[in-house]
This record gives sequence, structure tokens and C-alpha cells, in this order.
Amino acid sequence: EPEVTQTPSHQVTQMGQEVILRCVPISNHLYFYWYRQILGQKVEFLVSFYNNEISEKSEIFDDQFSVERPDGSNFTLKIRSTKLEDSAMYFCASSYAKMNIEAFFGQGTRLTVV
Amino acid sequence: AQKVTQAQTEISVVEKEDVTLDCVYETRDTTYYLFWYKQPPSGELVFLIRRNSFDEQNEISGRYSWNFQKSTSSFNFTITASQVVDSAVYFCALSEALDTGNQFYFGTGTSLTVIP
Repeated sequence: EPEVTQTPSHQVTQMGQEVILRCVPISNHLYFYWYRQILGQKVEFLVSFYNNEISEKSEIFDDQFSVERPDGSNFTLKIRSTKLEDSAMYFCASSYAKMNIEAFFGQGTRLTVV
Repeated sequence: AQKVTQAQTEISVVEKEDVTLDCVYETRDTTYYLFWYKQPPSGELVFLIRRNSFDEQNEISGRYSWNFQKSTSSFNFTITASQVVDSAVYFCALSEALDTGNQFYFGTGTSLTVIP
């Protein structure tokens, strides 16, 4: 069964460092998403991406964040200068269509900023 | 304002008991979609069900059943004869047709513990 894969599963980084979280969406999917879940809290939308551009972003997704689909298969989330409060589980998701279809979530990357 | 409310933060049941997880949503769209996801201790999000706003038919899948009632804006999830493997956090989510980004609005989750 096709799945969304995320690497690494766990990333530890020092405050102020840049991190790149990587995702390989399901191959025929057209819509891509990043979500964040701070420990013990709900899953929060960060950004959606379609046709090589951001279609929507939340207020969490500030100038420190960027997304890219560099090679047609990977979908990355970059945090330029990490803060302690960026520590969270980051989920990548993809869907084939915009509506009436579930988004398939990856297994998540746990980011720990120290 | 919360678009999805899961008032039950934590629930504990004894194995084989039935348990219902509540979900109340808020939207102005006439076309929307409701979802339930399971998050086991390993952390991944596992899709359980999708429902569109035009289909109020209740659904049963094995021990799982869902009760969608537009009149009360609720989409409740019942596990019959619960098992220890059902222990997880369960999230209800909403997606709105008019939302250009197709984002999911998640509730805060209900942590279910099934005691053997």
C-alpha cells in the first residue's frame, strides 16, 4: 500500500540552527501539507502546497518556515533558525484531490530543539 | 473559535465495554468533510473514516461505528467491545469546501485507555 514517508524520524538540533524535514508523498498525489503537533496538543495546520506553490498557510508558518518540492518527489519543510518552541512532531501529508478524500499522513518527524 | 471540539480529554474503559467519543464541529460551509484519525502511542496518524456533509447515513465498520447528525453538528465515534489495542488518542477533523488550502481543522483529541 502506498504511503507517505518522512525522514528523519527524530531530529535533535541546537537552537538557532537550520533544519530540513523531508517527506516523500505518495507518487500520484497533487496536494501536499505540513502539520505540527506540539507534545500533548492538537495537530495544527502549517501549510498546503499545490502546483509548486503555497496555496494556504497558517499564522504559525512565519518567515522562518519555507517549503519546497525540489525534484518532483520530495517535499521539504525548512526552519531557518529554530527556536525551543519549534519542538514538536511534524507531519507531512498528501492527497490526490482537493476535497472529499482523505489526506494520507506520514509517520511524523519528532523535532527536538535544545 | 474552535471549529472542532472534543470535550472528552481522557476516557478509561475496561476491556469489552463500549465507548463513545464525542465530536462537535462548527462551520458555515454547506459542503464539508469530517474525519476521524487514530494516533497510537507510536505517534503516526491513522485514517479511520471520512464523511461528507451530504451523507448523514451512519456507518459501521467492524467494531467501529459513526453517528453523524447535522442537526446537532456532531460526528460521534463508538467502539464496541473495546480492546486494549484501541488505546490511543483519537482526533476528529473538519475540512471545508470553500477553504482554498484544504486544511484539516483538528480537535484536541480524546485519549482512550482500555484497561485489560
